[in-house]
Amino acid sequence: KQEVTQIPAALSVPEGENLVLNCSFTDSAIYNLQWFRQDPGKGLTSLLLIQSSQREQTSGRLNASLDKSSGRSTLYIAASQPGDSATYLCAVSPASRNYQLIWGAGTKLIIKP
Amino acid sequence: GAGVSQSPSNKVTEKGKDVELRCDPISGHTALYWYRQSLGQGLEFLIYFQGNSAPDKSGLPSDRFSAERTGGSVSTLTIQRTQQEDSAVYLCASSSGTTPYEQYFGPGTRLTVT
Repeated sequence: KQEVTQIPAALSVPEGENLVLNCSFTDSAIYNLQWFRQDPGKGLTSLLLIQSSQREQTSGRLNASLDKSSGRSTLYIAASQPGDSATYLCAVSPASRNYQLIWGAGTKLIIKP
Repeated sequence: GAGVSQSPSNKVTEKGKDVELRCDPISGHTALYWYRQSLGQGLEFLIYFQGNSAPDKSGLPSDRFSAERTGGSVSTLTIQRTQQEDSAVYLCASSSGTTPYEQYFGPGTRLTVT
């Protein structure tokens, strides 16, 4: 059974720092991996999607990497800003059911001004 | 264009009552998903619709939960005889139904059962 773990559960850093959020999954047979952002009381916003054949994706100050064989993904945020404060969720699609998402519990990120 | 919309945004109901939650997907999206996010827990897959295919209901927690999708567009999630453990945020998402199956989420419905 696929399990997704995110470490740390919470992170607080000063504005301007670069930071890394971690996601690990137990079954390497995935179709893709997505990183989402959730703001309090709001829905989910897709940040980056990495297909199983890809190693990384970049969008602005965000870079996500995927190492399928070791079951790991990282989300790198450069030059963090207070507006980056949110909960970041990682989700994987199993290769056998590529429409489904299996979720991590999230990392709550606070960027201090 | 318009994103995924859900209604109501908040619903408070008494234990034992039935509730209906509505989702309007992005126009043209053939795939629709329902998830549940309980306090302090991760997101839980409930059901998946793709076009005219039979839905994947494997995530529905009990037979009190059902969902339908009319005309391949709007979907309704129905919870009968609500229990306090049903209190959660119910999220709907849609996708184009083709690779890479990127999902776009609505703002959710917060359900509170008293």
